[in-house]
Amino acid sequence: DQQVKQNSPSLSVQEGRISILNCDYTNSMFDYFLWYKKYPAEGPTFLISISSIKDKNEDGRFTVFLNKSAKHLSLHIVPSQPGDSAVYFCAASGEGGNFNKFYFGSGTKLNVKP
Amino acid sequence: NAGVTQTPKFQVLKTGQSMTLQCAQDMNHNSMYWYRQDPGMGLRLIYYSASEGTTDKGEVPNGYNVSRLNKREFSLRLESAAPSQTSVYFCASSSALNYGYTFGSGTRLTVV
Repeated sequence: DQQVKQNSPSLSVQEGRISILNCDYTNSMFDYFLWYKKYPAEGPTFLISISSIKDKNEDGRFTVFLNKSAKHLSLHIVPSQPGDSAVYFCAASGEGGNFNKFYFGSGTKLNVKP
Repeated sequence: NAGVTQTPKFQVLKTGQSMTLQCAQDMNHNSMYWYRQDPGMGLRLIYYSASEGTTDKGEVPNGYNVSRLNKREFSLRLESAAPSQTSVYFCASSSALNYGYTFGSGTRLTVV
């Protein structure tokens, strides 16, 4: 059973509006969370991270929110741009103090319409 | 450009054939990983090497072997390919100072 879940396979947003991508996890031992962005025929690229000691981390247009009690994190992109169209993966690690093993969600394909 | 290089980019194998996927990084990272990506499943860890000389199983290690040849190189071997191993394979590396991975561009493997 997947320990990290992205329940929305796809999301469509108008340019300039906010994109909100969601991720849920089941393992309370997870301590560190990442978001990756992937374009077709390329490897995923690191976007933003958050550790469990924070509930928010911001980097330019990208903000990640973490709700540990709900085991939920979300990625906000404001304003969304057509170049943001990609597949977004969330990932979690920290089980047993092992930060080498990341568990990935199945991804959400974001389409930003001009 | 610095980064993670995977070869080959594409491969078609017949059931039962063997092959080795190669991966090299030039960022002096300690840790290296092999993932597979399947539709609806995201990326799943096959094997990883936390440091030179060590390897450990991930979520889906069956049917695979790995070798950490040196600090730069980490190879993945399929001894007897099966159609269930049709997937896109990604190699990644990371340093202890930065828990985020740097991924290669992937190998698309089809087993017929």
